[in-house]
Amino acid sequence: KAGVTQTPRYLIKTRGQQVTLSCSPISGHRSVSWYQQTPGQGLQFLFEYFSETQRNKGNFPGRFSGRQFSNSRSEMNVSTLELGDSALYLCASSLLGSLGRETQYFGPGTRLLVL
Amino acid sequence: AQTVTQSQPEMSVQEAETVTLSCTYDTSESDYYLFWYKQPPSRQMILVIRQEAYKQQNATENRFSVNFQKAAKSFSLKISDSQLGDAAMYFCAYRSEIVTGTASKLTFGTGTRLQVTL
Repeated sequence: KAGVTQTPRYLIKTRGQQVTLSCSPISGHRSVSWYQQTPGQGLQFLFEYFSETQRNKGNFPGRFSGRQFSNSRSEMNVSTLELGDSALYLCASSLLGSLGRETQYFGPGTRLLVL
Repeated sequence: AQTVTQSQPEMSVQEAETVTLSCTYDTSESDYYLFWYKQPPSRQMILVIRQEAYKQQNATENRFSVNFQKAAKSFSLKISDSQLGDAAMYFCAYRSEIVTGTASKLTFGTGTRLQVTL
């Protein structure tokens, strides 16, 4: 099976712009979670989608949003970019996402630089 | 809320030697899962090993094993016969066991950077 894929891998934007990142989960996986990784804050949970519905959300401002399509592919959007949004954005997929024992498989990440 | 603490920002080990990475966590839950993830320079997070809290037996995966002490809320990772390819950032993570229908996030520690020297 192909792994989790994320596009684009690298992105440079300027303050005030918006950006959309894409994540394709492993075939058959219905849960997609997003994490932000920064040197200062570490790895933080953004949100999780299952069956096109946001099921869980972390403590991020409303500028961060996401959606999931019927094929389980997910996108996250960040509007009005700030310098502090520069980070590695990781996507993880799992079968159902509702059981603790499920393994979350991570994609290679999208590195976003905001200038 | 659960917290995960990794008190060793960096560790170094010689090739073929053994190293132990420490992790402690805080939770009021009784059912949960603990994970060690490896993040090499490629940045892709790779699952190394998983431990179910209800299991007393420590998990092992080839050269990787854990020492799970539930009462002490401690979850350390032992890497035996270290190899150059083990050099990476290692993250300890916690996840609740939850009722179907809701979702549970991974809570990560701050990571330990492991260097492997010749």
